[in-house]
Amino acid sequence: EVHLVESGGGLVQPGGSLRLSCAASGFTVSGNYMSWVRQAPGKGLEWVSVIYSDDRTYYADSVKGRFTISRHNSENTLLLQMNSLRADDTAVYYCARADSSGYYYGYWGQGTLVTVSS
Amino acid sequence: DIQMIQSPSSLSASVGDRVTITCRPSQNIGSYLNWYQQKPGKAPKLLIYAASSLQSGVPSRFSGSGSGTDFTLTISSLQPEDFATYYCQQSYSTPIFTFGPGTKVDIK
Repeated sequence: EVHLVESGGGLVQPGGSLRLSCAASGFTVSGNYMSWVRQAPGKGLEWVSVIYSDDRTYYADSVKGRFTISRHNSENTLLLQMNSLRADDTAVYYCARADSSGYYYGYWGQGTLVTVSS
Repeated sequence: DIQMIQSPSSLSASVGDRVTITCRPSQNIGSYLNWYQQKPGKAPKLLIYAASSLQSGVPSRFSGSGSGTDFTLTISSLQPEDFATYYCQQSYSTPIFTFGPGTKVDIK
């Protein structure tokens, strides 16, 4: 059975850094398209980043140059390094696994809350 | 970038009602349109993929239709557990998958 469990969220000051983790079970992270999607309080869903099985990575313009997506293959974990955090990065961050074609997210974690505030 | 417009932004309905939500992308996306349901404090759940394919385990009262720039999610007979927010998502412009702003369905 597929499970995704995020961790690493918390309160951080503007300009600070945080690293999110998404522990996967039931499949291998390295063999799938894995994404981060976030949701600001009371707002809709925003796609953040994706890493493909061939290691290509892509980012939303709003986080490009500040966030880095990666994998820790031996631990079967997806990572999101977030630097230069801003107040508008405050959100619940979900990791999600795309289907084999890469066109929709069939599996989601429960989310981890990141709050950027002084 | 492809913009997604959903309507209505919210609606009130009763158990047993037929509910229709519309999603209109800013350009032709073929059938690369997915629908998700999200309940408060929970992760989104995939309902429909590729415009009209029902995800495994999703009740048959949910259906999707449309192509190009006009898509519809229909709930044939609203059940108490269906009160939630519904999002459309385009997967045409990979790798960036844009979501619609959501439609909140609540109890009349």
